[in-house]
Amino acid sequence: LAKTTQPISMDSYEGQEVNITCSHNNIATNDYITWYQQFPSQGPRFIIQGYKTKVTNEVASLFIPADRKSSTLSLPRVSLSDTAVYYCLVGDADTNAGKSTFGDGTTLTVKP
Amino acid sequence: DTEVTQTPKHLVMGMTNKKSLKCEQHMGHRAMYWYKQKAKKPPELMFVYSYEKLSINESVPSRFSPECPNSSLLNLHLHALQPEDSALYLCASSQGFTRSSYEQYFGPGTRLTVT
Repeated sequence: LAKTTQPISMDSYEGQEVNITCSHNNIATNDYITWYQQFPSQGPRFIIQGYKTKVTNEVASLFIPADRKSSTLSLPRVSLSDTAVYYCLVGDADTNAGKSTFGDGTTLTVKP
Repeated sequence: DTEVTQTPKHLVMGMTNKKSLKCEQHMGHRAMYWYKQKAKKPPELMFVYSYEKLSINESVPSRFSPECPNSSLLNLHLHALQPEDSALYLCASSQGFTRSSYEQYFGPGTRLTVT
């Protein structure tokens, strides 16, 4: 499983766009990139997943450059309720039989 | 229904007790997972079940015993735990072992305290 590196923490203000970058230099050809959000004392919640270029859903966008050695989660116009820990996971479920390893995560604090 | 339920929400047990954690999903998912999460740390994978068979055991001590009675239910039997086993225990499910297995649905967790 590819090791991931994320900033430990980030601060932002309401209404701003937040970009959280994850480095995964050892990403394999078949690996997908998945992001989760976790609030205190709750289970993680799936946000978005991608393989290359750009993926967008109603919550976030995921940008993946051509070399796929990093990825950026973009949260548009954050609010106080987006304060949470964000985890980046990289892996190929077929090869790893469902095994996944969460990185240390990024604690995002949104201020008023 | 995209919900994974876990019971109980909180559990306090002594080191000689036997207890069980329960997890249930009705999304037709064929893969189910147990994770352990300590405070301010990421979730750590413990067990993976695929089609009701144990496929991964991440070298978890035998005082934790998983069970998958059917495709909707997952149990974690606890016996002779240690205080360091106190943590949030999370259950998750996914469709299977494709890239979608990383789209996991997590329950709210059971907060376990071992005294």
